[in-house]
Amino acid sequence: SQKIEQNSEALNIQEGKTATLTCNYTNYSPAYLQWYRQDPGRGPVFLLLIRENEKEKRKERLKVTFDTTLKQSLFHITASQPADSATYLCALSTGGFKTIFGAGTRLFVKA
Amino acid sequence: EAQVTQNPRYLITVTGKKLTVTCSQNMNHEYMSWYRQDPGLGLRQIYYSMNVEVTDKGDVPEGYKVSRKEKRNFPLILESPSPNQTSLYFCASRTSGEKSGTEAFFGQGTRLTVV
Repeated sequence: SQKIEQNSEALNIQEGKTATLTCNYTNYSPAYLQWYRQDPGRGPVFLLLIRENEKEKRKERLKVTFDTTLKQSLFHITASQPADSATYLCALSTGGFKTIFGAGTRLFVKA
Repeated sequence: EAQVTQNPRYLITVTGKKLTVTCSQNMNHEYMSWYRQDPGLGLRQIYYSMNVEVTDKGDVPEGYKVSRKEKRNFPLILESPSPNQTSLYFCASRTSGEKSGTEAFFGQGTRLTVV
């Protein structure tokens, strides 16, 4: 069956370090992959999109990689800050109108 | 301000009493979608709409109905709510971008409790 997996355990890191979150998928051939940020009680907010023919995307302190051979995306936040504490969701689309979300990884950045 | 607006934000209802959650977007987006979010399961797509009068089932459509009579509105209807529909619901919209992908804008969420 099709599955998206994100680390269900929370990630705790120290301020200033790089946070790395993982998204693995099986039985998909995604056309693109997205990362969203979600704060408690709020709707997800779009961060980055990477397409199947792209290896890496950057936006300010954020970086996303996409390895279609490993079926994995990595999401990096460099120079992390306490304000980066949130849940991060990855989402896949095979190119149609359906989007499949992972359950998310909770990130805590300690000052 | 570009936004997706859902109402109500919170709703407690009884089993079997029909309810509607409204969703409206002001970005002229073609594509709209409804999700439910449950602990440990992430966001699951209920229904989506590619444009006016065009809707299709997502992964968990049972017990829900939708309609898209106007481009800006996409209400979610629960004809006979049951306790297993207690969840946090999100509406989202984006431009079509079927093949290339575009970012989705989400509403602030509706927390529904069915007792």
